[in-house]
Amino acid sequence: AQTVTQSQPEMSVQEAETVTLSCTYDTSESDYYLFWYKQPPSRQMILVIRQEAYKQQNATENRFSVNFQKAAKSFSLKISDSQLGDAAMYFCAYRPIYQGQFYFGTGTSLTVIP
Amino acid sequence: KAGVTQTPRYLIKTRGQQVTLSCSPISGHRSVSWYQQTPGQGLQFLFEYFSETQRNKGNFPGRFSGRQFSNSRSEMNVSTLELGDSALYLCASRIQRSQTYEQYFGPGTRLTVT
Repeated sequence: AQTVTQSQPEMSVQEAETVTLSCTYDTSESDYYLFWYKQPPSRQMILVIRQEAYKQQNATENRFSVNFQKAAKSFSLKISDSQLGDAAMYFCAYRPIYQGQFYFGTGTSLTVIP
Repeated sequence: KAGVTQTPRYLIKTRGQQVTLSCSPISGHRSVSWYQQTPGQGLQFLFEYFSETQRNKGNFPGRFSGRQFSNSRSEMNVSTLELGDSALYLCASRIQRSQTYEQYFGPGTRLTVT
């Protein structure tokens, strides 16, 4: 079964500090994509960052970076210099390379403290 | 370019009724997926349509159905509504099924079943 687990339902971080959100997944596939999506209170889900499983180099997008450990099936998101606008629900997602279906974790609610 | 739009944004129905939700993908996008989002279960995949054909289906009862039209717009229907169907229903579109992996979400339809 392909599952995505986010073990931290809630996290908080001081503004300008760094926070790491955890995600693990279970799959027997060797090729797949991993994603972090952000869902602010307005509810529009937006893509934060993506990682191709065949790439060893960790993806980075400005203040957002991932730590992808393929053998451990771990995919954590690091947010540096946290801003108030980063407050949202964050979802980790997985998609097998030859399928259209995405599998999502249950989400981590991030609070940014001024 | 306009984003993914969903109508209506909010809906209140009574148990036993049926409901139809609509999704208009980004212009040029041919793949549309539907998700049910609840606080306890996170996002659960309902189904994916591509070129008017259902390509993937999640683990939901037959009361949940959908279709896609030639202009890629999609509708989702839930018959014989149950209280547990109360959720945020999200639609997401992509250009194609497997060539690109970025998925764009709509704002969702909040369905409340009383």
